Amino acid sequence: DAKTTQPNSMESNEEEPVHLPCNHSTISGTDYIHWYRQLPSQGPEYVIHGLTSNVNNRMASLAIAEDRKSSTLILHRATLRDAAVYYCILSAPQKLVFGQGTRLTINP
Amino acid sequence: SQTIHQWPATLVQPVGSPLSLECTVEGTSNPNLYWYRQAAGRGLQLLFYSVGIGQISSEVPQNLSASRPQDRQFILSSKKLLLSDSGFYLCAREFRGGGTDTQYFGPGTRLTVL
Repeated sequence: DAKTTQPNSMESNEEEPVHLPCNHSTISGTDYIHWYRQLPSQGPEYVIHGLTSNVNNRMASLAIAEDRKSSTLILHRATLRDAAVYYCILSAPQKLVFGQGTRLTINP
Repeated sequence: SQTIHQWPATLVQPVGSPLSLECTVEGTSNPNLYWYRQAAGRGLQLLFYSVGIGQISSEVPQNLSASRPQDRQFILSSKKLLLSDSGFYLCAREFRGGGTDTQYFGPGTRLTVL
């Protein structure tokens, strides 16, 4: 399974933008990049996914490098409710492989 | 609706006792279904997945088993629990959209084995 590398933790302030990086240097041409997040004591929640082009939805934006070896999840204006573990995952047939993710702390 | 129901929400069981966790899903028929486990402070580990009734694939050998008796029902079982079976058990269903498959997760069952 293709592997991703994320920082263990990040910290940001409320109402500021947050950029969560992910490296995936061994990505294949057909792998989609998925982001999920897990709030405390809850199951993971789908955030966004993309293949080559940058993607936007109501939750976040996904910026994908031109060589696809890295991507960045952007929360445009963080709130306290965005404090969670964020997982960057490359798709594999019929399963997702979760790493340790990045624990995001939001300061009021 | 792609709602996923799991019960019970929490469970405390003694070592050596049996286990049955149930997951039912709403929405489109014949979904791919998944069981994950998350030990305290750890990432998610895929345990089983199913592409249809009676079809189960095991990812990790252990004392757990899974069954899919109905299209929208997925059950996780054990004949004898171990202390190491404690964790947060999550059921997920696959959903096709945006050119690929994403997964939606249920609320989870927190299992403590004493």
